[in-house]
Amino acid sequence: DTEVTQTPKHLVMGMTNKKSLKCEQHMGHRAMYWYKQKAKKPPELMFVYSYEKLSINESVPSRFSPECPNSSLLNLHLHALQPEDSALYLCASSPIGLSGNTIYFGEGSWLTVV
Amino acid sequence: SQQGEEDPQALSIQEGENATMNCSYKTSINNLQWYRQNSGRGLVHLILIRSNEREKHSGRLRVTLDTSKKSSSLLITASRAADTASYFCATDVGSQGNLIFGKGTKLSVKP
Repeated sequence: DTEVTQTPKHLVMGMTNKKSLKCEQHMGHRAMYWYKQKAKKPPELMFVYSYEKLSINESVPSRFSPECPNSSLLNLHLHALQPEDSALYLCASSPIGLSGNTIYFGEGSWLTVV
Repeated sequence: SQQGEEDPQALSIQEGENATMNCSYKTSINNLQWYRQNSGRGLVHLILIRSNEREKHSGRLRVTLDTSKKSSSLLITASRAADTASYFCATDVGSQGNLIFGKGTKLSVKP
């Protein structure tokens, strides 16, 4: 079962709201990722967690705050977002955070900031 | 930062024809992966080819890798309408398995 589950599928939030995106996998993977994809563009890496520790932060603004409560869960906390942050947010996981591992993606959460 | 460039950006073919998509990249890689994305959906992993491999097959998919030219190609044989999607190459250049995606090729297969 190669499944990464993301909730919610769609989220509309105001610029002053605080919301969270959630991601879950039960494949025993120890690396988890957040990617952001704007319309008609390729996905871009935001964060990497390896063994529940943040290992890569691609200079993402602090209004995006990741959290990895345990090896199966990954959250992305959102606060004071801008309309240009509207995008598809993709969560992914891999067995271990090393080169050569297949990375499995969820279906994504569509975020609209109004 | 962007690593891969797919060519063509868009491809329209008839069902039953073969589709070839190319990917060029800039720096040395550990491996290269191809993904499919249906409109507005998540990414589906298709195939991974390591830097010391030249060709890989999976069902109707054939991937080649030429590290001297820093390029890869994805061939889909006997295409079906269900193959309509965007196809991305992604290079794995770091130590933590994070991927850098190319711009993608939008494939349309007409029944």
